[in-house]
Amino acid sequence: DTAVSQTPKYLVTQMGNDKSIKCEQNLGHDTMYWYKQDSKKFLKIMFSYNNKELIINETVPNRFSPKSPDKAHLNLHINSLELGDSAVYFCASSHARDRANYGYTFGSGTRLTVV
Amino acid sequence: RKEVEQDPGPFNVPEGATVAFNCTYSNSASQSFFWYRQDCRKEPKLLMSVYSSGNEDGRFTAQLNRASQYISLLIRDSKLSDSATYLCASGNTPLVFGKGTRLSVIA
Repeated sequence: DTAVSQTPKYLVTQMGNDKSIKCEQNLGHDTMYWYKQDSKKFLKIMFSYNNKELIINETVPNRFSPKSPDKAHLNLHINSLELGDSAVYFCASSHARDRANYGYTFGSGTRLTVV
Repeated sequence: RKEVEQDPGPFNVPEGATVAFNCTYSNSASQSFFWYRQDCRKEPKLLMSVYSSGNEDGRFTAQLNRASQYISLLIRDSKLSDSATYLCASGNTPLVFGKGTRLSVIA
């Protein structure tokens, strides 16, 4: 059983389009995250939700809008895609109680290419 | 200053060698420390947590030095399968990751 699953795995789209990435975790975790890993392999936090509430919103263009319908799901919608949005987007989850010992569990990533 | 800094490598070592990576962090309030392993085109996977008392798991040993704000990872008897990028992470929420250190173990 996949613990943190993201869809789609690959996404190729034209500049200016709007796209969504979905994430689901079946670990019973209460906190979910979106990270962006650019071409230089730097893994950077974008958003974090705890029990459906936004708790972290880093300096990210407002074209990016996360949405958490429940604590097992965290989706990412991106409007007006730009070339610089090309990256791998990783969803992750953790449990506040266990975070110090078990860290985060990552999904397999969504490789977004904007052309 | 970047929050978490690592030597990017690559470290090219022969099988059986011992290799050590260091990582420095700037946030003295960080409470959680980890080493993750990331294979090419894959997600980061937790390798081990890092505690002040040290942590050992088979051939892997991790240490935390709070006074100097660095964490280390020692890999003994390197295997070909250890070839990967090793990311250190520190923080509370969220975890902040270094850019990773690339290790290539050569036959």
